[in-house]
Amino acid sequence: DIVMSQTPLSSPVTLGQPASISCRSSQSLVHSDGNTYLSWLHQRPGQPPRLLIYKISNRFSGVPDRFSGSGAGTDFTLKISRVEAEDVGVYYCTQVTQLPITFGQGTRLEIK
Amino acid sequence: EVQLVESGGGLVQPGGSLRLSCAASGFTFSDHWMRWVRLAPGKGLEWVANISPDGNTRTYVDSVRGRFTISRHNAKNSLYLQMDSLRAEDTAVYYCVRVDGYGYRTFDYWGQGNLVTVSS
Repeated sequence: DIVMSQTPLSSPVTLGQPASISCRSSQSLVHSDGNTYLSWLHQRPGQPPRLLIYKISNRFSGVPDRFSGSGAGTDFTLKISRVEAEDVGVYYCTQVTQLPITFGQGTRLEIK
Repeated sequence: EVQLVESGGGLVQPGGSLRLSCAASGFTFSDHWMRWVRLAPGKGLEWVANISPDGNTRTYVDSVRGRFTISRHNAKNSLYLQMDSLRAEDTAVYYCVRVDGYGYRTFDYWGQGNLVTVSS
């Protein structure tokens, strides 16, 4: 199984400041079709997860452009350019390149 | 508007069974792969099962294979998860999830979730 490791596990940030979350996979996420199926999800307290980013860097419909994804191979990053109050919650990276689908442990973003 | 509404959760004793349902609307259900994903208390997300649009391909995480069965009824726009031989570690909120229709393999829409508690 591909193990997904996120750092940090907790991130206190100041409103208006940037935030960054790292995700590392135990093996390359490049599929035989040439695509890298790495997504980022955000879960607010009491709500289901929602899709932010797919295929490393593509923002899902309605996701603000302050969110961006980057990376390749085994190392990926989610960046928030200016944190807003609604960004609190847990962020997960997930790979769908290979079964079983696996998730990172989650990174809890909180406001200082 | 895409909507996924789960039902059927609740309290069940270890060794018991439960069937989760997910009613889909706002899209052509028969065009999409579907998944079940769960979130156990104090833990992270865990993928449980996938099913193809025609229902012929089903895959499971090792921990539930042989105990859980994913199925669908396209004419009723419904997804199901039959859970047998339930264990305490199956306690979680279970989410019905749509897979995008563009080949990105991603989880583009999620239901609100349904709590399953396995306890005596």
